[in-house]
Amino acid sequence: GQQVMQIPQYQHVQEGEDFTTYCNSSTTLSNIQWYKQRPGGHPVFLIQLVKSGEVKKQKRLTFQFGEAKKNSSLHITATQTTDVGTYFCAGMTTDSWGKFQFGAGTQVVVTP
Amino acid sequence: SAVISQKPSRDICQRGTSLTIQCQVDSQVTMMFWYRQQPGQSLTLIATANQGSEATYESGFVIDKFPISRPNLTFSTLTVSNMSPEDSSIYLCSAAGLAGGLDTQYFGPGTRLTVL
Repeated sequence: GQQVMQIPQYQHVQEGEDFTTYCNSSTTLSNIQWYKQRPGGHPVFLIQLVKSGEVKKQKRLTFQFGEAKKNSSLHITATQTTDVGTYFCAGMTTDSWGKFQFGAGTQVVVTP
Repeated sequence: SAVISQKPSRDICQRGTSLTIQCQVDSQVTMMFWYRQQPGQSLTLIATANQGSEATYESGFVIDKFPISRPNLTFSTLTVSNMSPEDSSIYLCSAAGLAGGLDTQYFGPGTRLTVL
């Protein structure tokens, strides 16, 4: 079955630094979504990528979808303490419309 | 956007009992889902709640253990039956497909279940 792998599992970042989290699928995805979950909170939708090679930006966050639609990345520049949380990718395949397979998540800790 | 509420927010239950979790969406949505999340872990999809028909369960989850209802486009319930300590987890409902599209999945605040 479809597997979505996410690395790294943990990311310790100094405030002001950049970091990237990666998501890889064993199968071609129709689309991929990214979520952020603050400690004690629930996942909050950040963005959806649909097109091969797509790049979207939200302020300091840059999301990419690979050409083969099997991988994606989230890059955060100039990390702030408000970026603390766990970032999940979730992929959907064409034969499982509407159902997203979540990656394990990247837990981000920011040191002031 | 959609706002999702869940009741109860948390509960402590005895082994062998059942708990029904309610999920209410403030808009009509195409799809509703139920997830389980252990603290510090990822989300595992339990089932898709289908309006007017039986839910579609993922591998490892069965209707007898997790009966689900979805009587309309804004409401769903998940029952955790004959509970054991292994069922202790956070249960999240989500909704997708506002106005028939599928772009954003909104999550409820979750129900934190502890089984003694």
